[in-house]
Amino acid sequence: QKEVEQNSGPLSVPEGAIASLNCTYSDRVSQSFFWYRQYSGKSPELIMSIYSNGDKEDGRFTAQLNKASQYVSLLIRDSQPSDSATYLCAAPYEGSSNTGKLIFGQGTTLQVKP
Amino acid sequence: DTEVTQTPKHLVMGMTNKKSLKCEQHMGHRAMYWYKQKAKKPPELMFVYSYEKLSINESVPSRFSPECPNSSLLNLHLHALQPEDSALYLCASSQEGQPQHFGDGTRLSIL
Repeated sequence: QKEVEQNSGPLSVPEGAIASLNCTYSDRVSQSFFWYRQYSGKSPELIMSIYSNGDKEDGRFTAQLNKASQYVSLLIRDSQPSDSATYLCAAPYEGSSNTGKLIFGQGTTLQVKP
Repeated sequence: DTEVTQTPKHLVMGMTNKKSLKCEQHMGHRAMYWYKQKAKKPPELMFVYSYEKLSINESVPSRFSPECPNSSLLNLHLHALQPEDSALYLCASSQEGQPQHFGDGTRLSIL
């Protein structure tokens, strides 16, 4: 199993729908998770971080962490065409020798169709 | 606009050239990072500096040479690069245990 896994997509949803992006992880990563959004040709932008079990909401975005099942998800409500991007799930490696080292999933491409 | 500033935004160089990429942050972060990103792939870690000291080198070829002159600056010196080194080079910074913040990147093309 890869340390952090995402379905590369593309995930296509109609405008106004809920987009659900998922990520699974192994025991080799720490229990902090970050979601980055990356538009084509641009750099990754941090949109959500989650450190504990449960849900965390920020505007139209909700991050969910389920440690028992080892998955983390990002829900985007009322999806807009401007949400079309690649979403990267990332987590720090476990262990002090890997301090600062993030492992990224492959990224899921989201397409929101008007 | 980002709080991590990278220059130049674009760079075209020949295989025999020497050039440098620069990164600056004024958020007081004590960890700084260089990543390489190819199209449709996630960022790939190259180097980590923690408190101005190199803490991680991900077996990067010696034609890439990082330097951290102070806690706000990070350079990446380039020499004798190959065409396959063409990519987006990203700088990031963070506090320990906190998420990394990326600069806009330098789009590098090797002729």
